[in-house]
Amino acid sequence: DTGVSQNPRHKITKRGQNVTFRCDPISEHNRLYWYRQTLGQGPEFLTYFQNEAQLEKSRLLSDRFSAERPKGSFSTLEIQRTEQGDSAMYLCASSYPGERNSPLHFGNGTRLTVT
Amino acid sequence: DQQVKQNSPSLSVQEGRISILNCDYTNSMFDYFLWYKKYPAEGPTFLISISSIKDKNEDGRFTVFLNKSAKHLSLHIVPSQPGDSAVYFCAATEGGAGGFKTIFGAGTRLFVKA
Repeated sequence: DTGVSQNPRHKITKRGQNVTFRCDPISEHNRLYWYRQTLGQGPEFLTYFQNEAQLEKSRLLSDRFSAERPKGSFSTLEIQRTEQGDSAMYLCASSYPGERNSPLHFGNGTRLTVT
Repeated sequence: DQQVKQNSPSLSVQEGRISILNCDYTNSMFDYFLWYKKYPAEGPTFLISISSIKDKNEDGRFTVFLNKSAKHLSLHIVPSQPGDSAVYFCAATEGGAGGFKTIFGAGTRLFVKA
């Protein structure tokens, strides 16, 4: 168990560019989540997968955002036409319903800066 | 609409004393509550949880208390240690421990002074 892995750790992009982040969950975890955290705030829920199915999307996830988990393993989060307001830490988490308390296991995040 | 509120952005405590972090929630459908701890440059890590059918859960130096009627929970750390200095997030879910959407508070930064 190497934990949840997120790449890249940091991404600086110019406004209007597209960016894609990757998340590799803990291998036996079938649930995968994306959260966004801005300065002084807690993580905000964006979307959730159970295996390859995307079961819930927050209204925070505008149509410029898309997430996929094609084979029920790793996931990608793409932001098109980035805006300065997209600057944030993007956190991925995974969980296994059979685990006691079913806590979220977070990666160390991808910090996005849009200039 | 903040469903989970942590009204104290920061707390400073002397080593060896008790740290008490507070959290309020508004959604009466929440039935499972968790505390996460976050160090700089790392993701949050799970600390302790409590089901709404209980009013206390203890794990070593950490105890979480739940007051359902007041929609209030608190995390007690006794004794506090410098390594406890971190940001603490209160979180809540519907649908028990397996609930898929976890809602977080804004966090309280704890400083434990040696």
